[in-house]
Amino acid sequence: DGGITQSPKYLFRKEGQNVTLSCEQNLNHDAMYWYRQDPGQGLRLIYYSQIVNDFQKGDIAEGYSVSREKKESFPLTVTSAQKNPTAFYLCASSGRPSGTEAFFGQGTRLTVV
Amino acid sequence: SQQGEEDPQALSIQEGENATMNCSYKTSINNLQWYRQNSGRGLVHLILIRSNEREKHSGRLRVTLDTSKKSSSLLITASRAADTASYFCATDEGFQKLVFGTGTRLLVSP
Repeated sequence: DGGITQSPKYLFRKEGQNVTLSCEQNLNHDAMYWYRQDPGQGLRLIYYSQIVNDFQKGDIAEGYSVSREKKESFPLTVTSAQKNPTAFYLCASSGRPSGTEAFFGQGTRLTVV
Repeated sequence: SQQGEEDPQALSIQEGENATMNCSYKTSINNLQWYRQNSGRGLVHLILIRSNEREKHSGRLRVTLDTSKKSSSLLITASRAADTASYFCATDEGFQKLVFGTGTRLLVSP
């Protein structure tokens, strides 16, 4: 089945550690996105990528890093520089042209312990 | 900063009633989309309206767009308990940048 898969569903991180969230899609989409959602809040854009080997910062990129080495994959690393990383992280992808329907994964809930 | 601001933040209605939620945005857009999110889940696309369209329908959903006021509304007619969810507008700023609003939490009581 075509879709977008995030893993793991739940992730616990100790303070000072880096963690990487996985996002894979088999929809042949060029664009991929990472959003952060805090309880009862909207989605804030962390990073997005229009094409392989290229990505742009969103509104809250500080403390995060990404790579886009393959079209299918867009992993997000939450670094120790992110002071408040506990949140729900959502990955999405969309095709061309710009602004077509985005497909979302089921999210990763990250908790700092 | 986020592009869209939804209003109201929360809405509570009875089954059978209509639900209207509004979205305002700040810059020029190519299109505006509405999404639905069940608690703790990913978002699901509902409907897309292009900047040259004023109204669009899909089943019980009706979306309007007023580019002069930079606003959109989503109307859900004859609401059901299963419509309980959060609803978000999203705007395309070009170059594949998709920005979401703050959302409206809808509660439909039986």
